[in-house]
Amino acid sequence: GAVVSQHPSWVICKSGTSVKIECRSLDFQATTMFWYRQFPKQSLMLMATSNEGSKATYEQGVEKDKFLINHASLTLSTLTVTSAHPEDSSFYICSASYYEQYFGPGTRLTVT
Amino acid sequence: DQQVKQNSPSLSVQEGRISILNCDYTNSMFDYFLWYKKYPAEGPTFLISISSIKDKNEDGRFTVFLNKSAKHLSLHIVPSQPGDSAVYFCASGGSNYKLTFGKGTLLTVNP
Repeated sequence: GAVVSQHPSWVICKSGTSVKIECRSLDFQATTMFWYRQFPKQSLMLMATSNEGSKATYEQGVEKDKFLINHASLTLSTLTVTSAHPEDSSFYICSASYYEQYFGPGTRLTVT
Repeated sequence: DQQVKQNSPSLSVQEGRISILNCDYTNSMFDYFLWYKKYPAEGPTFLISISSIKDKNEDGRFTVFLNKSAKHLSLHIVPSQPGDSAVYFCASGGSNYKLTFGKGTLLTVNP
């Protein structure tokens, strides 16, 4: 139980385009999901807290207009990287709370 | 300011021996602590947790110890197996479910 999926697992996009990443809790309902970003050899950095039916709460320094989060249902949260630039290339991971936080497999974004 | 610190970036142990991974935290508001295991290009996998009201939690080969006065926790893996080789993240959280992660320790278990 407590499985979280992400789609896509890997995406390459051109600079200036937008990319949407989906996070789904497969066997439980999650009113709260979290989005993290990981740079190589660094820790997971929390970007935002996604709450079902309300606006996401962003961490300091994270541009809310650039990283759009939508949590339309209890099993789905989406992160859209708008007008992507090469510096947005990173590994994005979502998690959902079910007693503990369970993480998705991550999405590797490469912006060329 | 790093609120959760894993001061050892790497650790190498022999198969069958004990692996001890350490983590220090500074925020006294943290009331639960978790260890995650992570392989490259994958999401973290939950291993074990401990709440601040306990000082030890054991699950099979994994034991987490918490020393609140020292703001220190450790993960013991015994016996270590080659399949345990991965990056281990310590994470701390409070009542808002937000987690703060350390930078991770790369554990290598040699056959």
